[in-house]
Amino acid sequence: GAGVSQSPRYKVAKRGQDVALRCDPISGHVSLFWYQQALGQGPEFLTYFQNEAQLDKSGLPSDRFFAERPEGSVSTLKIQRTQQEDSAVYLCASSLETGGTYEQYFGPGTRLTVT
Amino acid sequence: AQTVTQSQPEMSVQEAETVTLSCTYDTSESDYYLFWYKQPPSRQMILVIRQEAYKQQNATENRFSVNFQKAAKSFSLKISDSQLGDAAMYFCAYSRSGGGADGLTFGKGTHLIIQP
Repeated sequence: GAGVSQSPRYKVAKRGQDVALRCDPISGHVSLFWYQQALGQGPEFLTYFQNEAQLDKSGLPSDRFFAERPEGSVSTLKIQRTQQEDSAVYLCASSLETGGTYEQYFGPGTRLTVT
Repeated sequence: AQTVTQSQPEMSVQEAETVTLSCTYDTSESDYYLFWYKQPPSRQMILVIRQEAYKQQNATENRFSVNFQKAAKSFSLKISDSQLGDAAMYFCAYSRSGGGADGLTFGKGTHLIIQP
């Protein structure tokens, strides 16, 4: 079946602009995660949804970052007033269930460049 | 907070040889999960192998195996019979719940080069 998809794949924003990044998880997956991967670094956890409920947003770096998953499927990560330090690849992952035996499947990421 | 450390930014191995990638971690939990992920240049992260901390036996997946030393908090990945397709970034990761209910904590990664 189809994997996790993300759009756009590339986004260039001028400093101060707002951006919205979309994630389409694997159909039926309960859990959804967002990560930020800076150049040359490992991914860093941003936030986690179980269905439509945002259960953990401890990794969001500032109140300019906002994520939602209103119907428990597609998720959007919004960044307001983008800054240069927001330049990174944003990865989305989904998992079928919340138990310990379930793998996170990753999307290809959205590369955000803030100029 | 949990931390994951990969001390080898880059490793190189001849095709068909064996290579070991190192990972150490820090946690106060007794039950947790450890993972190795592969990220090829296309950037889609793929799970290579996972280990549950409560299991004594080291996980194995075909040419990939781990050496899990719980007391030493060490979790290395051994790749046998290296192939050109193994070239990628490899990330060690930790999860308290197993991956379905909490975010993964990743190391900085090891860039694996396969020399033909």
